[in-house]
Amino acid sequence: EIVLTQSPGTLSLSPGERATLSCRASQSVSRSSLAWYQHKPGQSPRLLIYGASVRATAIPDRFSGSGSGTDFTLTISRLEPEDFAVYYCLQYGTSPWTFGQGTKVEI
Amino acid sequence: QLQLQESGPGLVKPSKTLSLTCTVSGGPITTTSYYWGWIRQPPGKGLEWIGTIHYGGTTSYNPSLRSRVTISVDTSKNQFSLDLNSVTAADTAVYFCARVDLTIFGEVPFDSWGQGTRVTVSS
Repeated sequence: EIVLTQSPGTLSLSPGERATLSCRASQSVSRSSLAWYQHKPGQSPRLLIYGASVRATAIPDRFSGSGSGTDFTLTISRLEPEDFAVYYCLQYGTSPWTFGQGTKVEI
Repeated sequence: QLQLQESGPGLVKPSKTLSLTCTVSGGPITTTSYYWGWIRQPPGKGLEWIGTIHYGGTTSYNPSLRSRVTISVDTSKNQFSLDLNSVTAADTAVYFCARVDLTIFGEVPFDSWGQGTRVTVSS
C-alpha cells in the first residue's frame, strides 16, 4: 500500500501568516489522485482539494494544492482564525486508499 | 442538498459484530456516479479508510480489515451499511460514512460526510 508521510507534525503560526504543509508518498500517486481535508474536533472532515490542485466547492482561494508523483503541498496563503485545525492528505489512485497521519496547524 | 447520517449502537462487546447504517437523504443512493464509503478515526489517531461500495454491488475494502468487514446497500431504504465482525478494543473509533462522486474529470473523494458516530468496544 502507498504510505503517505505528512510534515511537519505540528505547525505553529499566527493569523495572517502563510502555511505550507507537505505530503510525501512512498510511491507515485496515480493520476495525481491526491486530496486534502481539514478536520476540526467534533466535526466531520471537510474536503478542500482533490486531483492534487482542484479546489472543492465553496473552498476559499487562500487554499491551494500543488504537486505530482510523490510530493504534494497544501498552501494556505493567509491563515484565518477558522483555519486552525488538523489537515490530512488522502491518496485515492491506488487501492487501498490511504491517509497521511495529519498535520496540526495551531496558533 | 445531500445529507448522510450514521446510526447504530454506541457500545459493542468484544468478539461481537459492529453494525452501522448510513442513511442518505436529498438524493438517490442509486445515482450511477456515486460510490459510498466508510472511514474511521480511533481516539487520538488519524483517519483510516475502511471501504467503499457502489449501489450495483462493487466493493473495495482495506486489506487490513477485509477478512472482517462487509459493506452492503439497501436501495429500498436509501441506506448503506457496515458490518465488522470479531471486534476488539482496537476497533473503538468514530465511524464516518461519506460519498465519492465520479465525475467526467475523475473521482471526487469523500465530498459529503455524515457527522460521525462513536463506537466503543468494551465488555
